[in-house]
Amino acid sequence: AQTVTQSQPEMSVQEAETVTLSCTYDTSESDYYLFWYKQPPSRQMILVIRQEAYKQQNATENRFSVNFQKAAKSFSLKISDSQLGDAAMYFCAYRSDYGGSQGNLIFGKGTKLSVKP
Amino acid sequence: GAGVSQSPSNKVTEKGKDVELRCDPISGHTALYWYRQSLGQGLEFLIYFQGNSAPDKSGLPSDRFSAERTGGSVSTLTIQRTQQEDSAVYLCASSLENSSPLHFGNGTRLTVT
Repeated sequence: AQTVTQSQPEMSVQEAETVTLSCTYDTSESDYYLFWYKQPPSRQMILVIRQEAYKQQNATENRFSVNFQKAAKSFSLKISDSQLGDAAMYFCAYRSDYGGSQGNLIFGKGTKLSVKP
Repeated sequence: GAGVSQSPSNKVTEKGKDVELRCDPISGHTALYWYRQSLGQGLEFLIYFQGNSAPDKSGLPSDRFSAERTGGSVSTLTIQRTQQEDSAVYLCASSLENSSPLHFGNGTRLTVT
């Protein structure tokens, strides 16, 4: 079974600085997707960024980028020029490309990010 | 257009009572998912629907939990004889098809007293 591990329960960053959130995963599959979701106090999970495993190029979305290391099964999220609105729980998630639950996401336990003004 | 809608937003119930949680997915989304998020934890998969059928019920924690989906749209998660350990936020998500990104609702916070 696939697992996702986020080793940093909490992180803090100064406004305008850069922070990196770590995520590792375990799988025997070769085709899959990886995601970072943000969950503010409103509880709604918001997709931040998505990476297809077959793509070597790291995904970027404005101030958000990932460092995808497939061999190491690592998928970290870098937030540049941090803003107060970035404060939230961040979840790393894995999605299989096989089987009956290929749409199902497997989540890590999350990292709580605080942004200091 | 409207996003995924869940109701109620909050529910407080007494131990032993039954509760029903509702999810209205985005129109046209064929795949629907239920997750549970306990305090300070990640999301735990409960059940997945493709249309009205549930190919994967593996995450349902006990036979007190059941879910159905009708008309390929609205889904109801029912918890019978609620226990205190059922207290959590229940999140619903839908996607256009099972390979598309998931869109989440705001969840229902269930408190069992």
